[in-house]
Amino acid sequence: EVQLVESGGGLVKPGGSLRLSCAASGFTFQTFSMNWVRQAPGKGLEWVSSISSSGTYIYYADSVKGRFTISRDNAKNSLYLQMSSLRVEDTAVYYCAGAAGTTMVPYYFLYWGQGTLVTVSS
Amino acid sequence: EIVLTQSPGTLSLSPGERATLSCRASQSVRSNYLAWYQQKPGQAPRLLIYGASSRAAGIPDRFSGSGSGTDFTLTISRLEPEDFAVYSCQQYDTSPRLTFGGGTKVEIK
Repeated sequence: EVQLVESGGGLVKPGGSLRLSCAASGFTFQTFSMNWVRQAPGKGLEWVSSISSSGTYIYYADSVKGRFTISRDNAKNSLYLQMSSLRVEDTAVYYCAGAAGTTMVPYYFLYWGQGTLVTVSS
Repeated sequence: EIVLTQSPGTLSLSPGERATLSCRASQSVRSNYLAWYQQKPGQAPRLLIYGASSRAAGIPDRFSGSGSGTDFTLTISRLEPEDFAVYSCQQYDTSPRLTFGGGTKVEIK
């Protein structure tokens, strides 16, 4: 059974930092593009960041570029998102998602975690 | 950036009825690179359709996708109680810059 379990969410003040983790099991993690997708309260889904299976290709949405850093450890079947200079508008549930696609870019999301809530508020 | 507009915002139907959901793109989505997801309250999204019309593994055949260019449709032929949820479309034509529609809520009438 595929499992993606996110952790690390919580309440943080504007300008603060937070590191999200995602532990994967039940599929060949090292062969999949991994992604972070977020959903603000009552809003639609927003793609945040992607990292290719080998870690070679990394992409960010313009809204987080320069503030967020995605990384992965294939030996530990884990995905990470380091978030800094957080803003109120970054408040959302953050989902870890495994994607089908090419070796360079993701296409659509096959596997999803249950999400972790990040709240940015003073 | 391709903007996806979903309509209607909310669809009120009864079990057994047919649901037709629309996803319109601001520019042509090449190669029908469009996916649909279902999301229930408090749960993660689930992939239903990719390539505009291919069902994902384990998805019942009452779910079907169609369309091309800028207009795409998700059809649920006969609504089951477990189908009442929010449905979102997503394009991957401009990957890695992926965008989602705002969602359509299918609620019980």
